[in-house]
Amino acid sequence: ILNVEQSPQSLHVQEGDSTNFTCSFPSSNFYALHWYRWETAKSPEALFVMTLNGDEKKKGRISATLNTKEGYSYLYIKGSQPEDSATYLCAFNPNTGNQFYFGTGTSLTVIP
Amino acid sequence: DAGVIQSPRHEVTEMGQEVTLRCKPISGHNSLFWYRQTMMRGLELLIYFNNNVPIDDSGMPEDRFSAKMPNASFSTLKIQPSEPRDSAVYFCASSLGLQDGDTQYFGPGTRLTVL
Repeated sequence: ILNVEQSPQSLHVQEGDSTNFTCSFPSSNFYALHWYRWETAKSPEALFVMTLNGDEKKKGRISATLNTKEGYSYLYIKGSQPEDSATYLCAFNPNTGNQFYFGTGTSLTVIP
Repeated sequence: DAGVIQSPRHEVTEMGQEVTLRCKPISGHNSLFWYRQTMMRGLELLIYFNNNVPIDDSGMPEDRFSAKMPNASFSTLKIQPSEPRDSAVYFCASSLGLQDGDTQYFGPGTRLTVL
């Protein structure tokens, strides 16, 4: 079983604040790291797929970085809005197949 | 495309009954994944198929669980007999499957309650 950890488990921020959270994964057998956004009562929605060490991806106010040598990825949200409230999941895809190993997520609540 | 379709959305059954969950992947996708979500363990991969062939079923909890993919557009996950500890949300996801790391697209999930 591969260990994928996310921290913090939950986060409450004020509207307008910027925030970030972490995904840690095994540094060996790396192929890809995925970030998903999961709103309550919906299904996980893909945000980013990252494959190269040093990758930085951006979508609007959300960005992510990747360090495969040390086994971590950061997700940043700039100027949080209430609609950003969701659980953010990362998934580690090793080079041994097509399976993903999900972290338990960071639950973000943005307070208006 | 309608996305990944799962049915039923909710299922309530009694212990000992057979439960069948259904999934239709996105057309053209070659890989299909079944996950279970619980409070304790988050999203767990149960089994995945590539080109209708089961590739990794090491996540299937026990012999009471079985999954099939008779064709490219349909898969089932069956629990027989069901137990209260099987209560969870079961997600199906599909991906192009042309290379490792292809993004997985999730269905809406089936919430199973076993009484």
